[in-house]
Amino acid sequence: AQSVTQLDSQVPVFEEAPVELRCNYSSSVSVYLFWYVQYPNQGLQLLLKYLSGSTLVKGINGFEAEFNKSQTSFHLRKPSVHISDTAEYFCAVSEPGGYQKVTFGTGTKLQVIP
Amino acid sequence: ETGVTQTPRHLVMGMTNKKSLKCEQHLGHNAMYWYKQSAKKPLELMFVYSLEERVENNSVPSRFSPECPNSSHLFLHLHTLQPEDSALYLCASSQDGATSGNTIYFGEGSWLTVV
Repeated sequence: AQSVTQLDSQVPVFEEAPVELRCNYSSSVSVYLFWYVQYPNQGLQLLLKYLSGSTLVKGINGFEAEFNKSQTSFHLRKPSVHISDTAEYFCAVSEPGGYQKVTFGTGTKLQVIP
Repeated sequence: ETGVTQTPRHLVMGMTNKKSLKCEQHLGHNAMYWYKQSAKKPLELMFVYSLEERVENNSVPSRFSPECPNSSHLFLHLHTLQPEDSALYLCASSQDGATSGNTIYFGEGSWLTVV
Protein backbone atom coordinates (compact mmCIF):
# COMPACT_ATOMS: atom_id res chain seq x y z
CA ALA A 1 0.00 0.00 0.00
CA GLN A 2 1.15 3.51 -0.73
CA SER A 3 1.70 6.15 1.95
CA VAL A 4 2.90 9.74 2.22
CA THR A 5 4.82 11.38 5.07
CA GLN A 6 5.05 15.10 5.62
CA LEU A 7 7.22 15.41 8.68
CA ASP A 8 6.78 19.15 9.19
CA SER A 9 3.32 20.14 10.35
CA GLN A 10 4.20 23.84 10.42
CA VAL A 11 6.97 25.84 8.72
CA PRO A 12 7.44 29.53 9.59
CA VAL A 13 9.57 31.52 7.17
CA PHE A 14 10.27 35.20 6.64
CA GLU A 15 9.04 36.93 3.53
CA GLU A 16 11.47 36.74 0.60
CA ALA A 17 13.36 33.84 2.21
CA PRO A 18 13.58 30.44 0.50
CA VAL A 19 11.50 27.50 1.70
CA GLU A 20 11.51 23.72 1.33
CA LEU A 21 8.56 21.57 2.33
CA ARG A 22 9.46 17.93 2.70
CA CYS A 23 7.56 14.93 1.40
CA ASN A 24 8.50 11.26 1.46
CA TYR A 25 6.44 8.43 0.09
CA SER A 26 6.39 4.67 0.06
CA SER A 27 5.04 2.46 -2.67
CA SER A 28 5.80 -0.92 -4.18
CA VAL A 29 5.30 0.33 -7.74
CA SER A 30 5.97 3.40 -9.81
CA VAL A 31 3.97 6.39 -8.67
CA TYR A 32 2.59 9.70 -9.70
CA LEU A 33 3.31 12.54 -7.25
CA PHE A 34 1.42 15.74 -6.57
CA TRP A 35 1.53 18.88 -4.47
CA TYR A 36 -1.75 20.60 -3.70
CA VAL A 37 -2.25 23.91 -1.88
CA GLN A 38 -5.18 24.91 0.30
CA TYR A 39 -5.68 28.61 1.03
CA PRO A 40 -7.83 29.54 4.04
CA ASN A 41 -11.51 28.67 3.60
CA GLN A 42 -10.92 27.13 0.19
CA GLY A 43 -10.61 23.71 -1.34
CA LEU A 44 -7.36 22.20 -2.58
CA GLN A 45 -5.85 23.17 -5.91
CA LEU A 46 -2.99 21.59 -7.84
CA LEU A 47 0.43 23.25 -7.58
CA LEU A 48 2.35 20.73 -9.68
CA LYS A 49 2.65 17.04 -10.45
CA TYR A 50 5.21 14.50 -11.55
CA LEU A 51 4.11 11.78 -13.95
CA SER A 52 7.30 10.88 -15.81
CA GLY A 53 10.28 12.46 -17.55
CA SER A 54 12.32 15.26 -16.02
CA THR A 55 12.63 14.90 -12.28
CA LEU A 56 12.44 18.66 -11.76
CA VAL A 57 8.87 19.84 -12.05
CA LYS A 58 7.82 23.46 -12.18
CA GLY A 59 4.41 24.57 -10.98
CA ILE A 60 2.33 27.65 -10.46
CA ASN A 61 3.29 30.64 -8.32
CA GLY A 62 7.03 29.99 -8.66
CA PHE A 63 7.04 26.62 -6.89
CA GLU A 64 9.04 23.63 -8.05
CA ALA A 65 9.62 20.10 -6.80
CA GLU A 66 12.21 17.44 -7.45
CA PHE A 67 11.44 13.74 -7.67
CA ASN A 68 14.18 11.63 -6.11
CA LYS A 69 13.48 7.95 -6.66
CA SER A 70 16.40 6.65 -4.59
CA GLN A 71 15.33 8.70 -1.58
CA THR A 72 11.61 8.30 -2.32
CA SER A 73 11.16 12.02 -1.87
CA PHE A 74 9.31 14.81 -3.63
CA HIS A 75 10.26 18.01 -1.78
CA LEU A 76 8.64 21.32 -2.69
CA ARG A 77 10.74 24.48 -2.98
CA LYS A 78 10.38 28.17 -3.63
CA PRO A 79 13.40 30.50 -3.76
CA SER A 80 11.58 33.54 -2.36
CA VAL A 81 8.21 33.36 -0.59
CA HIS A 82 5.51 35.98 -0.45
CA ILE A 83 2.87 36.70 2.16
CA SER A 84 0.27 35.30 -0.22
CA ASP A 85 1.98 31.88 -0.07
CA THR A 86 0.65 31.42 3.47
CA ALA A 87 -1.44 28.28 3.14
CA GLU A 88 -1.45 24.55 3.83
CA TYR A 89 0.42 22.34 1.40
CA PHE A 90 -0.43 18.68 0.77
CA CYS A 91 1.77 16.09 -0.86
CA ALA A 92 -0.04 13.20 -2.54
CA VAL A 93 0.75 9.97 -4.37
CA SER A 94 -1.20 7.76 -6.71
CA GLU A 95 -0.38 4.49 -8.42
CA PRO A 96 -0.86 4.00 -12.16
CA GLY A 97 -3.73 2.01 -13.57
CA GLY A 98 -7.38 1.79 -12.84
CA TYR A 99 -9.47 4.61 -11.53
CA GLN A 100 -8.02 7.50 -9.66
CA LYS A 101 -6.95 6.68 -6.11
CA VAL A 102 -4.82 9.28 -4.42
CA THR A 103 -3.28 9.16 -0.93
CA PHE A 104 -2.65 12.49 0.76
CA GLY A 105 -0.20 13.46 3.47
CA THR A 106 -1.22 15.25 6.64
CA GLY A 107 -0.25 18.65 5.27
CA THR A 108 2.30 21.35 6.11
CA LYS A 109 1.17 24.81 7.14
CA LEU A 110 3.44 27.46 5.67
CA GLN A 111 3.38 30.68 7.66
CA VAL A 112 5.10 33.57 5.91
CA ILE A 113 6.20 36.25 8.36
CA PRO A 114 6.37 39.84 7.14
CA GLU B 1 -18.35 29.99 -12.43
CA THR B 2 -15.99 27.76 -10.47
CA GLY B 3 -15.33 24.22 -11.66
CA VAL B 4 -16.72 22.41 -8.62
CA THR B 5 -19.37 24.03 -6.46
CA GLN B 6 -20.60 22.81 -3.10
CA THR B 7 -23.65 23.79 -1.07
CA PRO B 8 -24.16 24.61 1.67
CA ARG B 9 -20.79 26.03 2.71
CA HIS B 10 -21.70 25.72 6.39
CA LEU B 11 -24.13 23.34 8.07
CA VAL B 12 -24.99 22.83 11.72
CA MET B 13 -27.15 19.85 12.48
CA GLY B 14 -28.34 17.89 15.46
CA MET B 15 -27.62 14.23 15.88
CA THR B 16 -31.19 13.26 14.96
CA ASN B 17 -31.43 15.46 11.86
CA LYS B 18 -31.33 14.44 8.19
CA LYS B 19 -29.54 16.76 5.81
CA SER B 20 -27.74 16.58 2.48
CA LEU B 21 -24.61 18.09 0.97
CA LYS B 22 -24.71 18.91 -2.72
CA CYS B 23 -21.91 19.06 -5.26
CA GLU B 24 -21.95 20.04 -8.93
CA GLN B 25 -19.04 19.97 -11.36
CA HIS B 26 -18.92 22.01 -14.57
CA LEU B 27 -15.76 20.45 -15.99
CA GLY B 28 -17.18 17.56 -18.00
CA HIS B 29 -15.42 15.03 -15.80
CA ASN B 30 -16.61 11.45 -15.40
CA ALA B 31 -15.41 10.73 -11.85
CA MET B 32 -16.51 12.38 -8.61
CA TYR B 33 -15.37 11.99 -5.02
CA TRP B 34 -16.24 12.80 -1.43
CA TYR B 35 -13.36 13.45 0.97
CA LYS B 36 -13.44 14.17 4.70
CA GLN B 37 -10.90 16.63 6.10
CA SER B 38 -10.37 16.66 9.86
CA ALA B 39 -7.76 18.58 11.80
CA LYS B 40 -4.32 16.91 11.92
CA LYS B 41 -5.46 13.93 9.83
CA PRO B 42 -4.80 13.10 6.19
CA LEU B 43 -7.63 13.65 3.77
CA GLU B 44 -9.87 10.61 3.95
CA LEU B 45 -11.37 9.34 0.73
CA MET B 46 -14.97 8.39 1.48
CA PHE B 47 -16.58 7.58 -1.86
CA VAL B 48 -15.63 7.46 -5.52
CA TYR B 49 -18.04 7.40 -8.43
CA SER B 50 -16.78 6.65 -11.91
CA LEU B 51 -19.26 6.93 -14.77
CA GLU B 52 -22.00 7.32 -12.15
CA GLU B 53 -21.25 3.98 -10.52
CA ARG B 54 -19.76 3.70 -7.07
CA VAL B 55 -16.31 2.12 -7.30
CA GLU B 56 -14.89 2.81 -3.86
CA ASN B 57 -16.37 2.88 -0.40
CA ASN B 58 -13.70 3.08 2.25
CA SER B 59 -15.62 1.47 5.09
CA VAL B 60 -17.65 4.61 5.66
CA PRO B 61 -20.42 4.31 8.28
CA SER B 62 -23.90 3.85 6.86
CA ARG B 63 -25.02 7.15 8.36
CA PHE B 64 -23.31 8.66 5.29
CA SER B 65 -25.13 7.80 2.07
CA PRO B 66 -23.91 9.04 -1.32
CA GLU B 67 -25.96 9.55 -4.44
CA CYS B 68 -24.76 10.28 -7.96
CA PRO B 69 -27.77 10.87 -10.25
CA ASN B 70 -25.58 11.90 -13.22
CA SER B 71 -21.97 12.67 -14.02
CA SER B 72 -22.30 16.32 -12.96
CA HIS B 73 -23.99 15.95 -9.58
CA LEU B 74 -23.07 14.26 -6.34
CA PHE B 75 -24.89 14.25 -3.02
CA LEU B 76 -23.96 13.14 0.46
CA HIS B 77 -27.01 12.34 2.57
CA LEU B 78 -26.46 12.61 6.30
CA HIS B 79 -28.53 11.09 9.09
CA THR B 80 -28.05 10.38 12.81
CA LEU B 81 -24.53 11.75 12.75
CA GLN B 82 -22.15 11.85 15.69
CA PRO B 83 -20.15 14.85 16.99
CA GLU B 84 -16.94 13.23 15.69
CA ASP B 85 -18.37 13.56 12.18
CA SER B 86 -17.86 17.32 12.40
CA ALA B 87 -15.34 18.17 9.67
CA LEU B 88 -14.84 19.80 6.30
CA TYR B 89 -16.36 17.67 3.53
CA LEU B 90 -14.74 18.16 0.16
CA CYS B 91 -16.22 17.20 -3.15
CA ALA B 92 -13.89 16.68 -6.11
CA SER B 93 -13.89 15.54 -9.70
CA SER B 94 -11.42 14.30 -12.30
CA GLN B 95 -11.33 12.90 -15.77
CA ASP B 96 -10.84 9.24 -15.12
CA GLY B 97 -9.41 6.87 -17.66
CA ALA B 98 -7.23 3.84 -18.16
CA THR B 99 -4.35 5.54 -16.37
CA SER B 100 -4.35 7.76 -13.33
CA GLY B 101 -2.23 10.84 -12.78
CA ASN B 102 -5.09 13.12 -13.77
CA THR B 103 -5.56 16.24 -11.69
CA ILE B 104 -8.30 16.20 -9.08
CA TYR B 105 -10.32 19.40 -8.90
CA PHE B 106 -11.77 20.25 -5.51
CA GLY B 107 -14.72 22.33 -4.39
CA GLU B 108 -14.40 24.79 -1.52
CA GLY B 109 -15.93 22.35 0.92
CA SER B 110 -18.88 22.19 3.28
CA TRP B 111 -18.13 22.79 6.94
CA LEU B 112 -20.27 20.42 8.98
CA THR B 113 -20.83 20.80 12.71
CA VAL B 114 -22.80 18.14 14.55
CA VAL B 115 -24.22 19.26 17.87
